[in-house]
Amino acid sequence: NAGVTQTPKFQVLKTGQSMTLQCAQDMNHEYMSWYRQDPGMGLRLIHYSVGAGITDQGEVPNGYNVSRSTTEDFPLRLLSAAPSQTSVYFCASSPWSRQSTGELFFGEGSRLTVL
Amino acid sequence: QKEVEQDPGPLSVPEGAIVSLNCTYSNSAFQYFMWYRQYSRKGPELLMYTYSSGNKEDGRFTAQVDKSSKYISLFIRDSQPSDSATYLCGLRGGSTLGRLYFGRGTQLTVWP
Repeated sequence: NAGVTQTPKFQVLKTGQSMTLQCAQDMNHEYMSWYRQDPGMGLRLIHYSVGAGITDQGEVPNGYNVSRSTTEDFPLRLLSAAPSQTSVYFCASSPWSRQSTGELFFGEGSRLTVL
Repeated sequence: QKEVEQDPGPLSVPEGAIVSLNCTYSNSAFQYFMWYRQYSRKGPELLMYTYSSGNKEDGRFTAQVDKSSKYISLFIRDSQPSDSATYLCGLRGGSTLGRLYFGRGTQLTVWP
C-alpha cells in the first residue's frame, strides 16, 4: 500500500519559474491538503480539497494554485516561484468521514529551493 | 495569538529519562487532540489521538488533555534514542471534518 506519494522529492528553481508538485493517494480519501513546513513556523496549510472539483484556501495560499479533477490526485502549482517559497512541502489526505478520527496521512515531502 | 502554542525546544535528554512535551491552545472549541511524530526528512505520522478530556496510554506514551486549562501533554517514559524526532500537536474542532491546527513542533533528542 503506497499511501500518499509526492513527486519530486527535491527541486531547485530559479526565481520566476513555474512548476507543479504532484501528490497522489491510493486510499480513496476524500480530503487532501498541502502544507508547507519552515523552521520555527511549523506546518502551515496552503490549500485543501474535500472532494473532486472542490478546493479552498488555507492559511498561506498566495502564490499557489490547486485543482482536484480526480479523487486520487491533488497537484500544487507554483505560478512564478519566489525565494520565499523555499520550503518543504507536504501533501496529506484523510478519510473525511464522521466515523473516522480525522487523522491526516502525510507524504514524505518535497524539498523546494528557489534561487 | 496563534491558535496553538508549542515550545520548539530543542530538548535533549539521556536514555531512560521521562520526557514531557506540551501545547497550549486558545480555542475552547477544540475537541480532538493528536500528537504526531516526525523523523528527520520524513512526513509526520500519528502517534496518539485523544477525544475531549482525560488521559490515554499506549505503551511508553501517555497523552493528557486538560480542557479547563487548555493544555495538552505527551509523556514518554523510559525514552529511547529511537524516540529522537520532532513531535507536533494537532488540534481539531468539534467535527472530524474540521481543519487540523498544528503546533510548531518540539525537537527531541535522546542520547545513549
